[in-house]
Amino acid sequence: ERQLVESGGGLVRPGGSLRLSCEASGFRITNDWMNWVRQSPGKGLEWVGRIKSENEGGTVDYAAPVKGRFIISRDDSKNMVYLQMTSLQADDTAVYFCVRDEWYDDQYYSMDVWGHGTTVTVSS
Amino acid sequence: DVQMTQSPSSVSASVGDTVTITCRSSLPINDFLNWYQHKPGKPPKVLIYGASKLHSGVPSRFSGTKSGTKFTLTITRLQREDFATYFCQQAFSISRSFGPGTKVEI
Repeated sequence: ERQLVESGGGLVRPGGSLRLSCEASGFRITNDWMNWVRQSPGKGLEWVGRIKSENEGGTVDYAAPVKGRFIISRDDSKNMVYLQMTSLQADDTAVYFCVRDEWYDDQYYSMDVWGHGTTVTVSS
Repeated sequence: DVQMTQSPSSVSASVGDTVTITCRSSLPINDFLNWYQHKPGKPPKVLIYGASKLHSGVPSRFSGTKSGTKFTLTITRLQREDFATYFCQQAFSISRSFGPGTKVEI
């Protein structure tokens, strides 16, 4: 069974940093585009960013609210994806999900494997 | 950025009913629209991609249509396991966005 398991969440003070990890099992992420998505309390889902596969350049794109503060990286040898978060603010409080893209006919994709999420709370 | 809206925010239904959920994009996104089902405590599950294409293993009582920037998810012959929150996601722009969700409840 394909699974993603996030870890590293916790309580952090405003201005602080945190690094989230995502471990894939049941499949190799080598050729996959991987995402981070978050959901703030009582709010909808918000895409954080995406990293392409290494053989497609490993390009990373970020949502505007986190650009310049968050960094997504991957280690295919460990089947892991990471989210380094800096300058954290109260608005970053959320459950963070690691998500895999599935492609169809090289044209369409969906976000087909989701982890259960890890909670980040930014508070003094 | 493409904004996604959904209606209704919640709907009450019974087993056997037909439920229709609408999602609208603020800009044209062709047919790059996905639908997901989300139950409490579980990861979201893909239902439809490309506006109308059923993801593998999804029952045929789920269907999706597109008309301009309006997208519709229809669930016919509602089953007990279909009570959940449904949300759309545009897959057109690099910066992905989600609808706020529609809760289907008894």
